[in-house]
Amino acid sequence: GQQLNQSPQSMFIQEGEDVSMNCTSSSIFNTWLWYKQDPGEGPVLLIALYKAGELTSNGRLTAQFGITRKDSFLNISASIPSDVGIYFCAADNNNDMRFGAGTRLTVKP
Amino acid sequence: GAVVSQHPSRVICKSGTSVKIECRSLDFQATTMFWYRQFPKQSLMLMATSNEGSKATYEQGVEKDKFLINHASLTLSTLTVTSAHPEDSSFYICSARDARSSSYNEQFFGPGTRLTVL
Repeated sequence: GQQLNQSPQSMFIQEGEDVSMNCTSSSIFNTWLWYKQDPGEGPVLLIALYKAGELTSNGRLTAQFGITRKDSFLNISASIPSDVGIYFCAADNNNDMRFGAGTRLTVKP
Repeated sequence: GAVVSQHPSRVICKSGTSVKIECRSLDFQATTMFWYRQFPKQSLMLMATSNEGSKATYEQGVEKDKFLINHASLTLSTLTVTSAHPEDSSFYICSARDARSSSYNEQFFGPGTRLTVL
């Protein structure tokens, strides 16, 4: 099935910096979600978006559902060492969920 | 809320044996469960979707006779890797959703099972 285009593939940042990552698709989706996966564990849901244009925050995380319904971004403000991990975007259309390839985030203290 | 468990977390087996992995939704009823496979440094690849009480729907390229899925109750799904071979070694992750919930598009993932076939 069609995967999502997620970028960047990896990021190396200094603690305290802001982070931005995004996902795009050539198809329209009804739902966009962002997950974080730590090594050896399953993904954990961070933010779910249900409406085009929706902007939602979860602590230092902010995500938006693109107005065209074909893209979404995730911002992390004031990064801390525990933000390290792999971030996946996911998009869903009626029980058909697709994932991006992931963004591997490294935060240097 | 929305906790999904998997058992075992790690299994090592000999080639040719079968391995069963359990996925449980602990505090909600999972009308649909999904099984994913993840290779190192790669994204999740959907293997199959199972609805409670009905046969699983497998993705193209996934052998249904090799990866047996049973979703007998609203809180339990099992994946059995039959006659496992080294190339089946991978990280298997299940997820679950409650279609009756207002946030039914959200999938909640288990912690994963690391399978190593010798």
